[in-house]
Amino acid sequence: GAGVSQTPSNKVTEKGKYVELRCDPISGHTALYWYRQSLGQGPEFLIYFQGTGAADDSGLPNDRFFAVRPEGSVSTLKIQRTERGDSAVYLCASSHSSTSEAFFGQGTRLTVV
Amino acid sequence: QKEVEQNSGPLSVPEGAIASLNCTYSDRGSQSFFWYRQYSGKSPELIMFIYSNGDKEDGRFTAQLNKASQYVSLLIRDSQPSDSATYLCAVNQYSGGGADGLTFGKGTHLIIQP
Repeated sequence: GAGVSQTPSNKVTEKGKYVELRCDPISGHTALYWYRQSLGQGPEFLIYFQGTGAADDSGLPNDRFFAVRPEGSVSTLKIQRTERGDSAVYLCASSHSSTSEAFFGQGTRLTVV
Repeated sequence: QKEVEQNSGPLSVPEGAIASLNCTYSDRGSQSFFWYRQYSGKSPELIMFIYSNGDKEDGRFTAQLNKASQYVSLLIRDSQPSDSATYLCAVNQYSGGGADGLTFGKGTHLIIQP
């Protein structure tokens, strides 16, 4: 596609439920990043993939958060036992390489009620 | 704890004037410095990145870096109403323009008055 695609655009879930957020990067981009942005804050780094492997997962807040990228393209961010504090816009970005400009998708707005 | 500080604003600048946006960072090991623009309800888009002390110009935008003072700024010349947005400063410990492990500030809300 022309840009980074994230689905769904909006997700409302109940506290304690499991959610999956999908990111489809720009074709040919090997690097993929997940960030989350709470209202009035800057984005917060979660995880970086180079190809299929998580090269840096230092930003994942706890073991309820997990992300995969099994074929080096689409990535899924998985959140178990969601909490109200997980409510945020989850942003995915991709870049051609680890040192080139990253392009962000439009994000998934997650609301935990 | 790595921190990036920005004045949240709003910063109001008349059309045609120079807008000056400032950012300080706490980690002396930071190597790369980024300015992103974010329109309301939209995702961040990269304006510029800089990794050497001094100035870097791109069209109406100039980024300035002073590592000794741990200070980064963005100047926007001939400000236009379309420049009205939140400007996010970000830093990381790696060289190059990648987005691994960026630490963002909260952003400065810029308003260009017609």
